[in-house]
Amino acid sequence: DAGITQSPRHKVTETGTPVTLRCHQTENHRYMYWYRQDPGHGLRLIHYSYGVKDTDKGEVSDGYSVSRSKTEDFLLTLESATSSQTSVYFCAIRDREGTEAFFGQGTRLTVV
Amino acid sequence: EDKVVQSPLSLVVHEGDTVTLNCSYEVTNFRSLLWYKQEKKAPTFLFMLTSSGIEKKSGRLSSILDKKELFSILNITATQTGDSAIYLCAVGNFGNEKLTFGTGTRLTIIP
Repeated sequence: DAGITQSPRHKVTETGTPVTLRCHQTENHRYMYWYRQDPGHGLRLIHYSYGVKDTDKGEVSDGYSVSRSKTEDFLLTLESATSSQTSVYFCAIRDREGTEAFFGQGTRLTVV
Repeated sequence: EDKVVQSPLSLVVHEGDTVTLNCSYEVTNFRSLLWYKQEKKAPTFLFMLTSSGIEKKSGRLSSILDKKELFSILNITATQTGDSAIYLCAVGNFGNEKLTFGTGTRLTIIP
């Protein structure tokens, strides 16, 4: 594995509650990404980061926020979880421009 | 908006067959195209193709990139049950370093 840890690995939460997912890397890679994976949609980019405190939106960013205060940690927050945010969330890291990305093991989030 | 389309969505073949998976894209400032294999958990990297590397091969897997026609194919020869997985295609571009994925092709190999 490429030194990426996602936590928690599984979570069940209620509609309307805040949820934070954590991605931790030990590779000192510059780029970090959050994707969600749903049947029929593949991997869709939520947010990504190109450095500490530098983040940008992906194609499905509504309802999500992120923070990166340290190189090794990239947090994804659902301010008020909805059932449509039930999904598998993957974090990915990338060393520099034009290289491959490595994925964490995923977090299965269920919003009831 | 960047777009990646994979076909077919699913494919069922017998062990020993050869398969071809397709990926077409529309991306501004294309930099690279990447193939991943996803079994039960995280996607794992297979190949990256760029302007300076339009063909890649590893064992029974090979891939080519056609930058003019904006597509790539992934070939798997002499398929095995262990090749059963979702195969994902992604493109990266210069500038914002986003990676945009297609919906994937689910490949099932029947013994």
